[in-house]
Amino acid sequence: DIQMTQSPSSLSASVGDSVTIACRASQSISNYLHWYQQKPGKAPNLLIYSASSFNGIPSRFSGSGSGTHFTLTIYSLQPEDFGTYYCQQSYSMPYTFGQGTKLEIK
Amino acid sequence: EVQLVESGGGLVQPGGSLRLSCAASGFTFGPYAMSWVRQAPGKGLEWISSISAGGAEAYFADSVKGRFTISRDDSKNTLYLQMNSLRAADTAIYYCAKWMDGGALDYWGQGTLVTVSS
Repeated sequence: DIQMTQSPSSLSASVGDSVTIACRASQSISNYLHWYQQKPGKAPNLLIYSASSFNGIPSRFSGSGSGTHFTLTIYSLQPEDFGTYYCQQSYSMPYTFGQGTKLEIK
Repeated sequence: EVQLVESGGGLVQPGGSLRLSCAASGFTFGPYAMSWVRQAPGKGLEWISSISAGGAEAYFADSVKGRFTISRDDSKNTLYLQMNSLRAADTAIYYCAKWMDGGALDYWGQGTLVTVSS
């Protein structure tokens, strides 16, 4: 199975800051990497698919990477950006998720 | 508007069975693969099963293989998850999700809670 490792596990930042969340795959997954945001008590929401394609989200979100290293960057943080972010690979079954990164807005 | 509505969750004893349903609307259900993803209380997301468009292919995580089956009824726009031999470790919110090209899950239901406890 492909292991997905996110870092950091949690972070706290202020409105207007930029933050970067990293996701590493245990083997190359090309660009079969997707990012989700989940808020407490809600279902996950797809933010970025295929590493860098937007899913109707604000332009302050940006995804990059290929192979084994990927990043999600949020520019100019807004209060509504709090939540937990997950990466997921769809290169091979089982389609594993990272353990999540909890973002707190100061 | 795409909607996925899960149902069938509840409290079940260890060793028991449940069948979850996911009613889809707002899109043409048949051409899309579908998935189930679960989330144990306070934990992360775990992909557990997917079924291809048409239902010919099904995939399972090792944690549920041999105990869970996935199926779909395209005439009813409904996805199912039959869960047998349930364990305490299966306690989770179960989400159904639509699978877009490339394997991302672009629409999710609100989830249904399954609690396995005596």
